[in-house]
Amino acid sequence: NAGVTQTPKFRILKIGQSMTLQCTQDMNHNYMYWYRQDPGMGLKLIYYSVGAGITDKGEVPNGYNVSRSTTEDFPLRLELAAPSQTSVYFCASSYAREHGGKTEAFFGQGTRLTVV
Amino acid sequence: GENVEQHPSTLSVQEGDSAVIKCTYSDSASNYFPWYKQELGKGPQLIIDIRSNVGEKKDQRIAVTLNKTAKHFSLHITETQPEDSAVYFCAARESTGTASKLTFGTGTRLQVTL
Repeated sequence: NAGVTQTPKFRILKIGQSMTLQCTQDMNHNYMYWYRQDPGMGLKLIYYSVGAGITDKGEVPNGYNVSRSTTEDFPLRLELAAPSQTSVYFCASSYAREHGGKTEAFFGQGTRLTVV
Repeated sequence: GENVEQHPSTLSVQEGDSAVIKCTYSDSASNYFPWYKQELGKGPQLIIDIRSNVGEKKDQRIAVTLNKTAKHFSLHITETQPEDSAVYFCAARESTGTASKLTFGTGTRLQVTL
């Protein structure tokens, strides 16, 4: 049981480049989330998904896109990388709000992205 | 939307002493309050959580208290050990709507010194 797996762990991008951060979970969780964590700050929600085919914007969605074609995968796409997107990105998953009382969100190890 | 404030931002305690971290939230509809511990280079990991129908919950050296009227909740760590050194995040989740969105505090860096 791997939990939430993110790839890559580190990446350096040039301004204007694009990339996809991969996230997969093997816990059959309905909900998946993408957060970014800036130095000294908390986690800000970028996008989330309540199930395959359904995505919605979080607090800071600009500059990002997501898709959820399967229950397991929730990739995050950066189309035109900007220095302001330098951050650590965390993917997380959880059961639906009231799934047998289990509501814990499990986080991946993070992707450290630097845009230069 | 929900707004969570967390204090202090840094906390240094001697080994064996207690540590207290406090959070306030704004949305009275929030009903779930987890605490996460983040060690260096790792993702946050749940250490304890509490629901709005409970005032206090304990798990060995860790306890969380919730005051719904005042909309604040606190993490208490007793008999601190060096391995407790980490960044701690509180969070709140609203109960309404179809999505289960967590709003996080800005984190507290706890340093346990020998």
